Amino acid sequence: KAGVTQTPRYLIKTRGQQVTLSCSPISGHRSVSWYQQTPGQGLQFLFEYFSETQRNKGNFPGRFSGRQFSNSRSEMNVSTLELGDSALYLCASSLRGRGTGELFFGEGSRLTVL
Amino acid sequence: DQQVKQNSPSLSVQEGRISILNCDYTNSMFDYFLWYKKYPAEGPTFLISISSIKDKNEDGRFTVFLNKSAKHLSLHIVPSQPGDSAVYFCAASGGNAGGTSYGKLTFGQGTILTVHP
Repeated sequence: KAGVTQTPRYLIKTRGQQVTLSCSPISGHRSVSWYQQTPGQGLQFLFEYFSETQRNKGNFPGRFSGRQFSNSRSEMNVSTLELGDSALYLCASSLRGRGTGELFFGEGSRLTVL
Repeated sequence: DQQVKQNSPSLSVQEGRISILNCDYTNSMFDYFLWYKKYPAEGPTFLISISSIKDKNEDGRFTVFLNKSAKHLSLHIVPSQPGDSAVYFCAASGGNAGGTSYGKLTFGQGTILTVHP
């Protein structure tokens, strides 16, 4: 059974640009969540999607957005990139509708903003 | 406002001994607590969880203890092995008053565990 797949794995952008990251959940998983990991802040929740609807959103500015498609695949977008957006962006999927918290994470997309 | 805290950034243990990783939380509405392990260049991997209605859950070498009155949980690894060396994250689920919580976890900052041969 394939795991959570994230693309691209690494990318470099400059300030002001925008970026789109992609996530394919485990087959059958309908819930997808996104997290940002930085050395100073740890793992911070961005947002979660279930059945193409955003269910929860973390405390991030509106430059961070996402969506989920009918096949449960998800994308997140960051516009007007800032240096502080450099981070590892992790996608996670889960099977259950009401979460007990057992998420399956991808390997992440490492974003560097110059 | 950090609702889940791991106050020890690192822990060093000898192979075969017990590793105890600690975690404190402030939100009494959390209903599940989890531990994740993370190796460099990989995503976090689920290790073990415990419901807020229990005080102990065991899975092989890993045991999680929950003390609700103290808002404290701990992960015990016995015996510790060099392959256990990784970053361990404590996480909590729930905490949304009246709302659903499918995939939202609140993570601690992580503890780097090093197990020496």
